[in-house]
Amino acid sequence: GQQLNQSPQSMFIQEGEDVSMNCTSSSIFNTWLWYKQEPGEGPVLLIALYKAGELTSNGRLTAQFGITRKDSFLNISASIPSDVGIYFCAGRETGANNLFFGTGTRLTVIP
Amino acid sequence: DTGVSQNPRHKITKRGQNVTFRCDPISEHNRLYWYRQTLGQGPEFLTYFQNEAQLEKSRLLSDRFSAERPKGSFSTLEIQRTEQGDSAMYLCASSLSGAADTQYFGPGTRLTVL
Repeated sequence: GQQLNQSPQSMFIQEGEDVSMNCTSSSIFNTWLWYKQEPGEGPVLLIALYKAGELTSNGRLTAQFGITRKDSFLNISASIPSDVGIYFCAGRETGANNLFFGTGTRLTVIP
Repeated sequence: DTGVSQNPRHKITKRGQNVTFRCDPISEHNRLYWYRQTLGQGPEFLTYFQNEAQLEKSRLLSDRFSAERPKGSFSTLEIQRTEQGDSAMYLCASSLSGAADTQYFGPGTRLTVL
C-alpha cells in the first residue's frame, strides 16, 4: 500500500529547543493529520489539515499542509519533557476513507 | 464525550485459539475503523464501517479475521486460529462522516500469540 516517508526517524534534543519533522507521500492527499503516541497507548490527534497551504497551530505545535499536497511538516517550539513520544503523520487520498501512516519520529527530550 | 474505548487492553493467547476484541466508538460517530500496528511501524488499515455496513476491507484482513458492527454502535474484531504473526496492537478509530471526517483512536488492544 501507500508508504509515507517520515523523517527524521528519531531525534534527541535539549529541553527548550525547537523541533521540526516532515512527511512526504508519492500521491496527492486531501487531508494530513499529525498524531502523538506514547508507549502502550493509541495515537492522539494533535493537528488536522484539510487544505493545501494551510498552516495550523495548537499551542506550541504548528503544522502545514504542503502546496503540492504531497507533504506536510510539524514544528514543536520550546520543547518540554512531556513532548517525549512517537509522532506520526497520516494522510488520506481523495475518495479514500482510510488513513495511511508514516513510520513515526521518536522524540526524546533531555531535561 | 468519553472517547473511543477498547477491551481488553491486553490479550495473551496460544497459537490456534480464537480471540475477540471490542471497540466502543465516540457516541455520535457513524464511522468506525480497525487498524493493526506492529512494533516500530505506523498503524495499517484493516477495515471500515459506516453505521452497520462494512464498506471496505484491506488485503491485510485475511479470511481468519472478521469484523462486525451489528447495530451501528460498538464493533467486534475476531481472529480465528491465531498465528504468531498476528501479534500486534489492534487499534480502533471513529469519526463523523463529512468534510472533516477526523479519526480519533482508542487505546488499543495488544495481542500476544505464544
